[in-house]
Amino acid sequence: DARVTQTPRDKVTEMGQEVTMRCQPILGHNTVFWYRQTMMQGLELLAYFRNRAPLDDSGMPKDRFSAEMPDATLATLKIQPSEPRDSAVYFCASGLVGTGDWDTEAFFGQGTRLTVV
Amino acid sequence: AQSVSQHNHHVILSEAASLELGCNYSYGGTVNLFWYVQYPGQHLQLLLKYFSGDPLVKGIKGFEAEFIKSKFSFNLRKPSVQWSDTAEYFCAVNAQTSTGGFKTIFGAGTRLFVKA
Repeated sequence: DARVTQTPRDKVTEMGQEVTMRCQPILGHNTVFWYRQTMMQGLELLAYFRNRAPLDDSGMPKDRFSAEMPDATLATLKIQPSEPRDSAVYFCASGLVGTGDWDTEAFFGQGTRLTVV
Repeated sequence: AQSVSQHNHHVILSEAASLELGCNYSYGGTVNLFWYVQYPGQHLQLLLKYFSGDPLVKGIKGFEAEFIKSKFSFNLRKPSVQWSDTAEYFCAVNAQTSTGGFKTIFGAGTRLFVKA
């Protein structure tokens, strides 16, 4: 049963520390999304990649957040330095986009619950 | 800007009641529409999706949704809810971006609580 795997599942860190979240998309998927979910803002798209290239990261605070795909099996989201307002659940999702480009559903991982104290 | 509106933030129903969750989107082009469900403590899962064809779409667990293009709506329905349907429901639309790609825009979500 193919699934998106995210690590860690839970992370508690102190303000100012670097946080790295990892995502393993479903094998063969060519699109990866990073979302942040909070009670106040709901689901926000932070960034997404197609064939490992960043296509849109306009939803991501550039000064402290960075997203990369070092290879097709790994996507990372890094926060440096972390702040209490970054506390949220971060979801990674992957999909397979064909020539139609956007008729794809997103398959979500279990999320990383980040708490910055 | 593209947006997705879900009219009800919280819905409380008794078991066996009928459910309809509203969803409207603002986007003038061709859209692909989705409903996702998030059970407590879990990740989002796809309930159903509409790409083209019959505007009445049937999904898993007895859910269905109707795409009404003239109203820019994609409402979710279930004739008889169960306690296990307690979850948060998200409407989403795939919208094209200026770079030629697309992104999925989610509504704010509707929390459904079903009383046993």
